[in-house]
Amino acid sequence: RKEVEQDPGPFNVPEGATVAFNCTYSNSASQSFFWYRQDCRKEPKLLMSVYSSGNEDGRFTAQLNRASQYISLLIRDSKLSDSATYLCVSHAGNMLTFGGGTRLMVKP
Amino acid sequence: DTAVSQTPKYLVTQMGNDKSIKCEQNLGHDTMYWYKQDSKKFLKIMFSYNNKELIINETVPNRFSPKSPDKAHLNLHINSLELGDSAVYFCASSLRRTSSSYNEQFFGPGTRLTVL
Repeated sequence: RKEVEQDPGPFNVPEGATVAFNCTYSNSASQSFFWYRQDCRKEPKLLMSVYSSGNEDGRFTAQLNRASQYISLLIRDSKLSDSATYLCVSHAGNMLTFGGGTRLMVKP
Repeated sequence: DTAVSQTPKYLVTQMGNDKSIKCEQNLGHDTMYWYKQDSKKFLKIMFSYNNKELIINETVPNRFSPKSPDKAHLNLHINSLELGDSAVYFCASSLRRTSSSYNEQFFGPGTRLTVL
């Protein structure tokens, strides 16, 4: 079992839709979690951190459930420019562990 | 521009050759990393250096040898290249994380290595 697991997708949604991704992790020692975004043939970039209390950044909401060991990302009012791969990441010790990513395609 | 840069961007080579990838950051960070992203898109840490000292060395064949001449540079040398080495290699940098804190990692644009 991989340490961080995600549904690879793709999720094909129309503009304006709300879409949610989930991610599960197996290392209970993980201290913090993040969502990174990776555009096609580009490097990953930090999208947002994930807190147990939930956090929101504009159209993006991230949530952590430590009891169930899953992390979620909700995107409201999807834009064409949201099309990318979203990487779920856990941090433990000095290491980041990346999930395989969930691909989102927003269509007009 | 402040950034993490890598050269070359593309590298096509024959099996058995030796090649190097260079990475430089001008962000003033003290920790640098090499990641490998395979065809299934999994991004996996290979090495991490803090102030020129190796702090993470994952299970990587010893054909891969990182070298950090200073805090701003971390190069990756690969000997006797194999077909399975084909991947995108990303360099990243950050400030040193303590066990209870996280400092964002900034990634370079990647080097796409193809071994024929």
